[in-house]
Amino acid sequence: AQSVTQLGSHVSVSEGALVLLRCNYSSSVPPYLFWYVQYPNQGLQLLLKYTTGATLVKGINGFEAEFKKSETSFHLTKPSAHMSDAAEYFCAVMAGSARQLTFGSGTQLTVLP
Amino acid sequence: ETGVTQSPTHLIKTRGQQVTLRCSSQSGHNTVSWYQQALGQGPQFIFQYYREEENGRGNFPPRFSGLQFPNYSSELNVNALELDDSALYLCASRSFAGNTGELFFGEGSRLTVL
Repeated sequence: AQSVTQLGSHVSVSEGALVLLRCNYSSSVPPYLFWYVQYPNQGLQLLLKYTTGATLVKGINGFEAEFKKSETSFHLTKPSAHMSDAAEYFCAVMAGSARQLTFGSGTQLTVLP
Repeated sequence: ETGVTQSPTHLIKTRGQQVTLRCSSQSGHNTVSWYQQALGQGPQFIFQYYREEENGRGNFPPRFSGLQFPNYSSELNVNALELDDSALYLCASRSFAGNTGELFFGEGSRLTVL
């Protein structure tokens, strides 16, 4: 069975500081990994995804993530936080016959002025 | 290109009632899935429909049921509502072709059960 663990339910950073959101996964097959962002009262928006190939994946809004098989990790980073980055972030692994997503419990990112 | 749309956006029901939520998939997408997102948690997979048939289901009881129509739109029905059914219900669609299977989400229907 697949599972996702997001370390830190709440992360606060200052504007301009590095953003690091942690995600570890468990999967019995080569994983497809995703990061989604959710703004208040909205649905989920895809930030980036890893399927195969290059392990460093670049996404929208300056975010990137690195797939590390040996560490079973897929951490999300952004070099410089912006106030508009404040939102909830979800890591997910895709598997199963329906290729459904299994989500982590989310990390709420707060950006301080 | 029209994205995934859901209705209603908010609704309130009482325990024991039944509810129907609706979803129109993104243009060109023939696969629709539903997720339940309880407050403070990540979304959980309910089920998926492809070509009007359920082709995957998560750990939800049979009182959660669905339909997909020839135009690929979908309904989620929940019978005998319980307080714990209070959640944001998200619909997602994708084109079935390809391994990446990226999901595009609607903004959700927020259900409150009193």
